[in-house]
Amino acid sequence: GQQLNQSPQSMFIQEGEDVSMNCTSSSIFNTWLWYKQEPGEGPVLLIALYKAGELTSNGRLTAQFGITRKDSFLNISASIPSDVGIYFCAGLGAGSYQLTFGKGTKLSVIP
Amino acid sequence: DSGVTQTPKHLITATGQRVTLRCSPRSGDLSVYWYQQSLDQGLQFLIQYYNGEERAKGNILERFSAQQFPDLHSELNLSSLELGDSALYFCASSFGTFNTEAFFGQGTRLTVV
Repeated sequence: GQQLNQSPQSMFIQEGEDVSMNCTSSSIFNTWLWYKQEPGEGPVLLIALYKAGELTSNGRLTAQFGITRKDSFLNISASIPSDVGIYFCAGLGAGSYQLTFGKGTKLSVIP
Repeated sequence: DSGVTQTPKHLITATGQRVTLRCSPRSGDLSVYWYQQSLDQGLQFLIQYYNGEERAKGNILERFSAQQFPDLHSELNLSSLELGDSALYFCASSFGTFNTEAFFGQGTRLTVV
């Protein structure tokens, strides 16, 4: 089955720093999604990407759909304490109804 | 608030028992998806229903079953429960058949003792 490798697994950063995380796959995806999950909550969709090369922003968050269609990146600029949580990438292959999720990047922000 | 409602929020039950988890999708959404989230496996897709019919199956055990009713709410039935079934179970919904912008509920935390 399709697998996504998400890295890093966890990050500890100082408030105000920029953050980068990425997701890679051995197969092509037609859609990339980035979610954030906070404790006791379900994943919340942050950004959806539908075209190779697409760069989309949502406030301080920017995500890119890799040209090869096998990877995606999420950047968070000027991190703040409320950015804490687990960030998941997810991909949807051609004709697939199933999202494949990465294992998540746990972000901790030190004030 | 995503608009997806899951009940109950927490469930503790014994091995061998059967439980039913309930999901009400966002108003207007026709697809319902069920996911299992465990510490070691991450988020795993179980099954999808669209407008009352099963649309796609993932890694769902034979002991588990689901259905979507005419009012579009869905139930996930878990039977002959084992300790390893302890996990967070999420329901998500979307308008169409592709899970491109699904909204997740808050989940049901199932603990099997």
